[in-house]
Amino acid sequence: AQSVTQLDSQVPVFEEAPVELRCNYSSSVSVYLFWYVQYPNQGLQLLLKYLSGSTLVESINGFEAEFNKSQTSFHLRKPSVHISDTAEYFCAVSDPGRRALTFGSGTRLQVQP
Amino acid sequence: NAGVTQTPKFRVLKTGQSMTLLCAQDMNHEYMYWYRQDPGMGLRLIHYSVGEGTTAKGEVPDGYNVSRLKKQNFLLGLESAAPSQTSVYFCASSPRTGTGGSGANVLTFGAGSRLTVL
Repeated sequence: AQSVTQLDSQVPVFEEAPVELRCNYSSSVSVYLFWYVQYPNQGLQLLLKYLSGSTLVESINGFEAEFNKSQTSFHLRKPSVHISDTAEYFCAVSDPGRRALTFGSGTRLQVQP
Repeated sequence: NAGVTQTPKFRVLKTGQSMTLLCAQDMNHEYMYWYRQDPGMGLRLIHYSVGEGTTAKGEVPDGYNVSRLKKQNFLLGLESAAPSQTSVYFCASSPRTGTGGSGANVLTFGAGSRLTVL
């Protein structure tokens, strides 16, 4: 069975500082990888995804994630965070044969002024 | 487009009561899902459906039933609510996975339904 580990439950960071949210997955097959973001009292929104091709994927608001097959990781990074990035971030995995995603436990990013 | 709409948004039940959560999507998606979100546990899949008239169990199906009588609707039922079912429930939908995985598993979520069982 697939599993996703997000080691950091909370990450406090000051505005304009860089941040990395870690995600590791376990799967013996090729996978698709996703990061979703959840703002307070809202549903989840897709932030970025890796399906194939370039291992570095980017979002429209400055986040990027790199697929590392040898380390089974898909860490999320942003070089300079804003207050508006405060949210909970979920890493998710799926293999091409499955219909649903398996989610990690989430990382709460708290951006402080 | 409304996307994925869940009703009700909030509900308080007493132990043993029954209720149904309704999910509606207007994107003509084939696949629909029900997840529950609990603190520190992320989202866990309850049931899902790959098409009208079909449903399948997910990771935590016990105590829940589902129905997909129409393509656009996916109902989640609790026959006899328990305090352990206090949670936030999210419905999601996705298109049928395309050739080469271009539509693969990109889920669109509803805003959530907060259920409290006393």
